[in-house]
Amino acid sequence: EADIYQTPRYLVIGTGKKITLECSQTMGHDKMYWYQQDPGMELHLIHYSYGVNSTEKGDLSSESTVSRIRTEHFPLTLESARPSHTSQYLCASSESGGRVGYTFGSGTRLTVV
Amino acid sequence: DQQVKQNSPSLSVQEGRISILNCDYTNSMFDYFLWYKKYPAEGPTFLISISSIKDKNEDGRFTVFLNKSAKHLSLHIVPSQPGDSAVYFCAASGDGYALNFGKGTSLLVTP
Repeated sequence: EADIYQTPRYLVIGTGKKITLECSQTMGHDKMYWYQQDPGMELHLIHYSYGVNSTEKGDLSSESTVSRIRTEHFPLTLESARPSHTSQYLCASSESGGRVGYTFGSGTRLTVV
Repeated sequence: DQQVKQNSPSLSVQEGRISILNCDYTNSMFDYFLWYKKYPAEGPTFLISISSIKDKNEDGRFTVFLNKSAKHLSLHIVPSQPGDSAVYFCAASGDGYALNFGKGTSLLVTP
C-alpha cells in the first residue's frame, strides 16, 4: 500500500545530541516537504524538495538540514539539538505543488531536554 | 505574516447539527484551497478541496464554500458526528508553491 512513513514517532533526547528524523514514501512523489507545528499553531514549512538533489528552505527559519539523494527518502537532521527545537515535525509528499492534497506522515514528536 | 487565518480556535456542536468552520486568507494569488483533518498524535489527512474557479464543492457530508471577493472560505459538516471531533486546518496555495496553513480549529461534536 502506498504510504509515507516517519520514524521515530516520539523522541526524547538531550541537548547537544545529533538527531535524524526519517521520512520515506512509496508513492513515487517528486515533491516532499517538512513542516513544523507547535500546539495550537499553524504548520510552518521549514524545508521542501521538488526532486532528487533539490532542497530549499521554507518560510520558517530552521537550524535543521535535509537531503534528497533518493526520490523516496527525505531525512531531516539536527546537528546539535536544543530545547527550542522541541516540536512536532511532519513530513509530506505530493505529485504536484498544491494542486492536489498532500499526503502526510504520522509525524515525529521531538522533545529536547 | 500569516496569510491563512482561522480565527476560531475551537468549536463545539451537538451531534446531528451543522458544523461551520471558517477560514480567511490575505494573498490574492492563492487559487487552490484545501481542508485537512488532524487527530492527536497523527498527521493531517486531506478532506476536501476547492479551486478558485468554483464557489462550492461537495463530498458527502462535507461542503466547502469559497467567496473570492471576501477572501473567505468555510467548511460545512452536515450532519456532524462524534467521529468528526478533530482539529481542522485550512490551507491555501498559489501556482507552484507549497501550502500555507492556518492555525486550525478544534471541533468537538458532543452526543
